[in-house]
Parts: sequence; structure tokens; C-alpha cells
Amino acid sequence: GDSVTQMEGPVTLSEEAFLTINCTYTATGYPSLFWYVQYPGEGLQLLLKATKADDKGSNKGFEATYRKETTSFHLEKGSVQVSDSAVYFCALSPGGNYGQNFVFGPGTRLSVLP
Amino acid sequence: DAGVTQSPTHLIKTRGQQVTLRCSPISGHKSVSWYQQVLGQGPQFIFQYYEKEERGRGNFPDRFSARQFPNYSSELNVNALLLGDSALYLCASSSGQNYGYTFGSGTRLTVV
Repeated sequence: GDSVTQMEGPVTLSEEAFLTINCTYTATGYPSLFWYVQYPGEGLQLLLKATKADDKGSNKGFEATYRKETTSFHLEKGSVQVSDSAVYFCALSPGGNYGQNFVFGPGTRLSVLP
Repeated sequence: DAGVTQSPTHLIKTRGQQVTLRCSPISGHKSVSWYQQVLGQGPQFIFQYYEKEERGRGNFPDRFSARQFPNYSSELNVNALLLGDSALYLCASSSGQNYGYTFGSGTRLTVV
């Protein structure tokens, strides 16, 4: 079945450091790919998405490129802030009919120190 | 505009009891999905409803059931609660496929 693998955390960085969180997926067909962020005590917030190969999603300084050849969707940010501390989830949606669900990775906890 | 609203925010139940969780989607969204997030893990898909019909079901026992009402709000019911049902239950709504889901803040269920 479809699955998402993320780099294990926690990831601890100093403010203004470069961030990469690796995400790879296994899916049949042509899924859409997403990054969600979860702040403590809250639900999930959509960070960015890409719906087809070579698309780049971006938001709030975060970027991820849909790489079909490597089945990857790595999250990057050039300069992290303390406020970026959260858990980040990579996810895929198989697409197609409305009955398709999201498959989430296990999440990567990011801590940014001042 | 109001986002996805879930109620209650927190709930404590005893093993064997039944619980009903409620979700109101964003206005205009006709698709609602439910996810279970156990502490330290990613959300797991439970159900999806679109236009009041079940369109998808995850690998959960029959103790879990749901429905969607004409106003597109939804309820998730869990019978015969087990300690392992303790989790954050997330509701998400969408206007259509591949647009991404908007999640509510969830209901934290604790089974004791």
C-alpha cells in the first residue's frame, strides 16, 4: 500500500540555520504531496503542497519540490526561526476519486534554539 | 470565516463506554474526513464522507462509525472504548480532491 517515510527526529537547530527534512514516498499512480505542521496542542496546518512532478510548493520561506524520479518531497528552509519549532508531517493523497484518504508520515519534531 | 470546528476539545471516558465526537466543516466544504493521532505518531485515516455518503474507510474495527448530515457536519462514534482508543481525533474538510484538507484542532480523548 501507499506509505510515507520521514527522517527521524528530533531535529535541533540554532536560529538562522538551514533546514532539510527528508521525505520519501511509495504510491501507485500519481499522488499529490503535502507538508503539514503541528504546533503544540493544536491540529494540523497545511504548509505547502505539490500536485504533479517537478512542482515546487512554497510558503513562509519553506520549499519542497515533487521529485518523481526519486519519489521524494524534501522540506527546506534557508533560515529557521524559533517560531518554526513544531512537528512536521509529510503526507500524500492518492488523488482520483473523493474517497481517497491522506497517508501521513510519522512526523519530524523540529526544535530551534535562540 | 470560521475554520473547521470540533467539539468537545477534551473528553475523559471509562473503558467500555461510548463516545460521540462532532465536527463542523468550513462553509462550502462537502468532504469531511476523520483521523486518529496517537501521541507521537502521524494521523491515521478512519473515514471519509462526501455528500453524506461514506467514500473511504481505514483499517479500524467496527466499533468506529460515522455519519454526515445534510448540512455536511459530521459525527464520529466509538463504542466499547478501549485504553488504546486514547488519542487526538482530528476532523478535516475539503472542497475537493487534491486541494488539501483543512484540519480542526481536534478532540483529545482519554480512556481510563
